Amino acid sequence: DVQLVESGGGLVDSGGSLRLSCTTSGFNFNAAWMTWVRQAPGKGLEWLGRIERTSDGGTVVYAAPVNGRFTISRDDSRDTLYLQMNNLRSEDTAVYYCSSEYWYYFNYWGQGTLVTVSS
Amino acid sequence: QSALTQPPSASGSPGQSVTISCTGSSSDVGGYDHVSWYQHHPGRAPKLLIYDVTKRPSGVPDRFSGSKSGNTASLTVSGLQAEDEADYFCSSYAGTNYYVFGTGTEVTVL
Repeated sequence: DVQLVESGGGLVDSGGSLRLSCTTSGFNFNAAWMTWVRQAPGKGLEWLGRIERTSDGGTVVYAAPVNGRFTISRDDSRDTLYLQMNNLRSEDTAVYYCSSEYWYYFNYWGQGTLVTVSS
Repeated sequence: QSALTQPPSASGSPGQSVTISCTGSSSDVGGYDHVSWYQHHPGRAPKLLIYDVTKRPSGVPDRFSGSKSGNTASLTVSGLQAEDEADYFCSSYAGTNYYVFGTGTEVTVL
């Protein structure tokens, strides 16, 4: 079975940092383009960014609200995706999901991890 | 980029049909045939229902169907079942390696 498990969420002060992990199994992580998405309380989903598979160059693109503060990376040897979040703001409070992207859609998702930024 | 607009809620009795709209612009929904739909039971991982406007992944019942007209995409759930009660959201490719999601619709089975 395909599994994506996010971890690393929690309570952090405004201006602080947090690193989320997405540990995967059951599919070829090395071949996957991986994405981070979040959902703030009472809001819709928001695409944060994506990292290509390493064999395609591993290019990372970010959504404007997080560009320069968040960093997406991957460790293919561990089948794990990361999201380093710096200079966190109250508006970053959300459930964060990792997902695999396949030809313009998101075929596998994790259950999410909650990040709460305290002001 | 603005979120795609979905109705906050929709409902229907078992066996009935419910249609959820997803309205964007010519920069996303209207500009690309890359609209996808997801079902999300709170606390669980979202599940892909429809991709590329009308295509269903293997394992998704044909009760779920998608369509698009202009800047609005739609998901229809036919023959509503109790387990269809969930949140549904759409997504569209918006060009230049960017995606936009819908505001989400909570479906209630009466």
